[in-house]
Amino acid sequence: DQQVKQNSPSLSVQEGRISILNCDYTNSMFDYFLWYKKYPAEGPTFLISISSIKDKNEDGRFTVFLNKSAKHLSLHIVPSQPGDSAVYFCAATVGGSNYKLTFGKGTLLTVNP
Amino acid sequence: DADVTQTPRNRITKTGKRIMLECSQTKGHDRMYWYRQDPGLGLQLIYYSFDVKDINKGEISDGYSVSRQAQAKFSLSLESAIPNQTALYFCATSKGGGAQETQYFGPGTRLLVL
Repeated sequence: DQQVKQNSPSLSVQEGRISILNCDYTNSMFDYFLWYKKYPAEGPTFLISISSIKDKNEDGRFTVFLNKSAKHLSLHIVPSQPGDSAVYFCAATVGGSNYKLTFGKGTLLTVNP
Repeated sequence: DADVTQTPRNRITKTGKRIMLECSQTKGHDRMYWYRQDPGLGLQLIYYSFDVKDINKGEISDGYSVSRQAQAKFSLSLESAIPNQTALYFCATSKGGGAQETQYFGPGTRLLVL
């Protein structure tokens, strides 16, 4: 049973436009969510996180939104740049057992010049 | 210099061979982790360690063992490699002590078992 789902394997957007990556989860105990970005031949790089006590967190061009009632989060990238082209993983964890990150399968974002 | 390093970066081995993957970190973090990633899938936790004397199994520990030689070093062993252990392996670290932590990943080791 996949507890963290990224239903879009890939997404293509034009440079300068908004990229929206989605993630759904089924475990209501999750209370901390993270987004990682991964380039080929590199390890995942932490991008942004959000606690379940918030519904939005911003860091520059990146904003994560959390809708707890829908068990849904999304990552918005505005404006998108070609260097943002990578695989994006959504991950979730339960506070107190935060060692265990549960990952989605990832979404490949391609930003076209 | 990278904070989390993994050696080797690529390895080809044969079925039945013993192989060790090594991870070192300069972040001063207490917690270390080993994950594997299969094509088209997310990362799965193999083992984790909260300090030098602490080793714990993750989701998919069968066929693997680990050793935490020092705070900065955490190695993963495949005692008798099999083809379905062909995957991308990542080491990660986190600071420890916080309720909500971020894990930081190494560059990965690509392993092929023939």
